[in-house]
Amino acid sequence: EAQVTQNPRYLITVTGKKLTVTCSQNMNHEYMSWYRQDPGLGLRQIYYSMNVEVTDKGDVPEGYKVSRKEKRNFPLILESPSPNQTSLYFCASSLKPEPSPLHFGNGTRLTVT
Amino acid sequence: GESVGLHLPTLSVQEGDNSIINCAYSNSASDYFIWYKQESGKGPQFIIDIRSNMDKRQGQRVTVLLNKTVKHLSLQIAATQPGDSAVYFCAENPPSYIPTFGRGTSLIVHP
Repeated sequence: EAQVTQNPRYLITVTGKKLTVTCSQNMNHEYMSWYRQDPGLGLRQIYYSMNVEVTDKGDVPEGYKVSRKEKRNFPLILESPSPNQTSLYFCASSLKPEPSPLHFGNGTRLTVT
Repeated sequence: GESVGLHLPTLSVQEGDNSIINCAYSNSASDYFIWYKQESGKGPQFIIDIRSNMDKRQGQRVTVLLNKTVKHLSLQIAATQPGDSAVYFCAENPPSYIPTFGRGTSLIVHP
């Protein structure tokens, strides 16, 4: 089944404790992206990647890192999480170069205390 | 489930009615538009798309209309069902390829 898989689904952590949210897609998509979703603010892009070893900042990259060492994986790293990073996170992927719909994972609910 | 509908515009309809959800986009250079549906506890799912060389596209029970003159997109759902209750997002793709999402509309279908 074609899908984007994120783990974990739920994560509660404390301020400053490094964490990684994994994202993997099995559709051979070149484009991958991370979004955060907050009430009233919609989906905001954190980072995106057009292909392996190519990553770029989105609208809200502060406090986040990503890497794209393999085509299928695009982990999101929070080196020192803070409470304002409490949010619902989505990973998404799509084909290139023609614009095409994004395939989203089911989300990771992160709470930083 | 996940609460993503707070502070969103809300459309309430009766089961069987037709629903129309509107979206204004910002970039006149955008050439590809998509509607997504997000159910509670899930990620957004693709519903229908349209390219800028069209002004209407139909799917199963859904129709997307594009008015480039006023930069407006709408999603029409025929014979709305309780399973259609969700948050609906439009997205625009400019030539830079990076999509921009609207804030979403919460659709509530009453049986």
